[in-house]
Amino acid sequence: DAKTTQPTSMDCAEGRAANLPCNHSTISGNEYVYWYRQIHSQGPQYIIHGLKNNETNEMASLIITEDRKSSTLILPHATLRDTAVYYCIVFTGNQFYFGTGTSLTVIP
Amino acid sequence: DTAVSQTPKYLVTQMGNDKSIKCEQNLGHDTMYWYKQDSKKFLKIMFSYNNKELIINETVPNRFSPKSPDKAHLNLHINSLELGDSAVYFCASSQVGGLIQETQYFGPGTRLLVL
Repeated sequence: DAKTTQPTSMDCAEGRAANLPCNHSTISGNEYVYWYRQIHSQGPQYIIHGLKNNETNEMASLIITEDRKSSTLILPHATLRDTAVYYCIVFTGNQFYFGTGTSLTVIP
Repeated sequence: DTAVSQTPKYLVTQMGNDKSIKCEQNLGHDTMYWYKQDSKKFLKIMFSYNNKELIINETVPNRFSPKSPDKAHLNLHINSLELGDSAVYFCASSQVGGLIQETQYFGPGTRLLVL
């Protein structure tokens, strides 16, 4: 079962930052938080992952709270092509469990 | 070049038929996976293979059988197809896999429709 909870849907204006929250209150000390997204009719695409420290790459930033019970994925300047379902995942046991994700709609 | 590729992209077939879906990765990864995404969009792992050996086998009907001729390929054979098998099937790979948490890279998916 997924160890994460996310809002079902969110909207974001084009050009603004999209902040997608995730709760993972039962995360263990050595479990990473991964973010993937799935654009309609495509395979899941890796975005970013982290353990304790905040992370940034060319796609997004990941902010993890100090107690590691929640995190936020930030898309700094959302574009229409960022419209997708975003999955926050904790590697549980020996596999990924994908929850229901957040459906992000970027509005022109 | 596509890192993880699947064929066919679409597959429409009759109930009771036997079909195969092929997956290839050119990333040099040791572990490959099959996931099923149903009509409600839930994505669940079915199998995981590490260096041609099965390491994860979730509760999947034995009509589904993965076959790995080499570590770059993991094919999915489905016997006696049923209506409920209609879904999108995704192949994925990761560098090491097994019990190690690491990034997985997904293929484009195969859309299976059983009539």
